[in-house]
Amino acid sequence: GENVEQHPSTLSVQEGDSAVIKCTYSDSASNYFPWYKQELGKRPQLIIDIRSNVGEKKDQRIAVTLNKTAKHFSLHITETQPEDSAVYFCAATSGSSASKIIFGSGTRLSIRP
Amino acid sequence: EAEVAQSPRYKITEKSQAVAFWCDPISGHATLYWYRQILGQGPELLVQFQDESVVDDSQLPKDRFSAERLKGVDSTLKIQPAELGDSAMYLCASSLALAGATDTQYFGPGTRLTVL
Repeated sequence: GENVEQHPSTLSVQEGDSAVIKCTYSDSASNYFPWYKQELGKRPQLIIDIRSNVGEKKDQRIAVTLNKTAKHFSLHITETQPEDSAVYFCAATSGSSASKIIFGSGTRLSIRP
Repeated sequence: EAEVAQSPRYKITEKSQAVAFWCDPISGHATLYWYRQILGQGPELLVQFQDESVVDDSQLPKDRFSAERLKGVDSTLKIQPAELGDSAMYLCASSLALAGATDTQYFGPGTRLTVL
């Protein structure tokens, strides 16, 4: 069935360093890949997304890359700051319904001062 | 900025009791979603509405869960009877997109359910 796998489950980086989170998806018909950030006790919030006709997208310190052939996509955060500490979820649309998204299991990112 | 509203924020109940959660999507959003998020996992879709119609409820445990969106605006998710394994965060989200189309999903703050 449809599946999104996310790695690593936990990640700790020194403040100022870069963080990379990787996801793979199973459905080749998936065409939209959002990333959500969820701070402790708060709602998931969209931080960046990418569509299948684009290979890379950047927004300030955040970038997402997509490799459709390999069916994987990654989130890159540069110059990490304490406020980047949160759980990050990748997601991909279901091939059977473009309005349904399947979430990965999440990555808990901790920024060490 | 408009946000999805949910209530209550926290709910503690005993097993076999009935519970209900309420969601008010962003005004004008046709599509509404209910997700369950178990601690340490990603949100899992329970049910999707477009206006008042159910689009996808394939993952909804229909023997105990029910959901409605009678006027195509706010929605209620009910569990009866609650079981210990239902303890989780229940998230509501809404989107401008119609079923079959893709757009950003905006999440509410969630209802954290604890079943004792």
